[in-house]
Amino acid sequence: RKEVEQDPGPFNVPEGATVAFNCTYSNSASQSFFWYRQDCRKEPKLLMSVYSSGNEDGRFTAQLNRASQYISLLIRDSKLSDSATYLCVVNYNQGGKLIFGQGTELSVKP
Amino acid sequence: NAGVTQTPKFRVLKTGQSMTLLCAQDMNHEYMYWYRQDPGMGLRLIHYSVGEGTTAKGEVPDGYNVSRLKKQNFLLGLESAAPSQTSVYFCASSYPRAQPQQPQHFGDGTRLSIL
Repeated sequence: RKEVEQDPGPFNVPEGATVAFNCTYSNSASQSFFWYRQDCRKEPKLLMSVYSSGNEDGRFTAQLNRASQYISLLIRDSKLSDSATYLCVVNYNQGGKLIFGQGTELSVKP
Repeated sequence: NAGVTQTPKFRVLKTGQSMTLLCAQDMNHEYMYWYRQDPGMGLRLIHYSVGEGTTAKGEVPDGYNVSRLKKQNFLLGLESAAPSQTSVYFCASSYPRAQPQQPQHFGDGTRLSIL
């Protein structure tokens, strides 16, 4: 089993749609969680951290379920500019290492 | 503020050649990392460093060496390049574990092709 698993997609959605990504992690001792965004052939960039109580940043909502060991990202009112690959990332707090999921590709169409 | 800078941006090597990739950060971060990214594989950690003078192996360290002689620089070396090392290489840096929620900051990447 991979340490961090995501649905690879691709997710093809129309503008304005709501889309949700899920991610599962295997290490119950994991302490920090992030969603990164990666545009084609570019470097990953932090989208948002994921806090235990859940958190929202504009159209983006992140949730953490420690009991089931999964993280989710909800994007509301999708924009064309949201098209990218979304990476689920878990920090095991061992020397600051991050474990990356393989990414979920999102394509938002007009 | 440049952040994380990688050089070179692109390189083509022949099998058996050696080269060094340079990563420099100006954010005074303690931790630095080297990843490779291949299609469908996500980012895989090659080596990392938790401070000047220290390095550790990551998930896929074979065929690579690293050095962290200065806090701001993290070098990745390929002693004898192989076609399997064709990839996009990303360097990243972050604050130390005392701030566990701190994310990593990435460089633009180095696209390396081994013929």
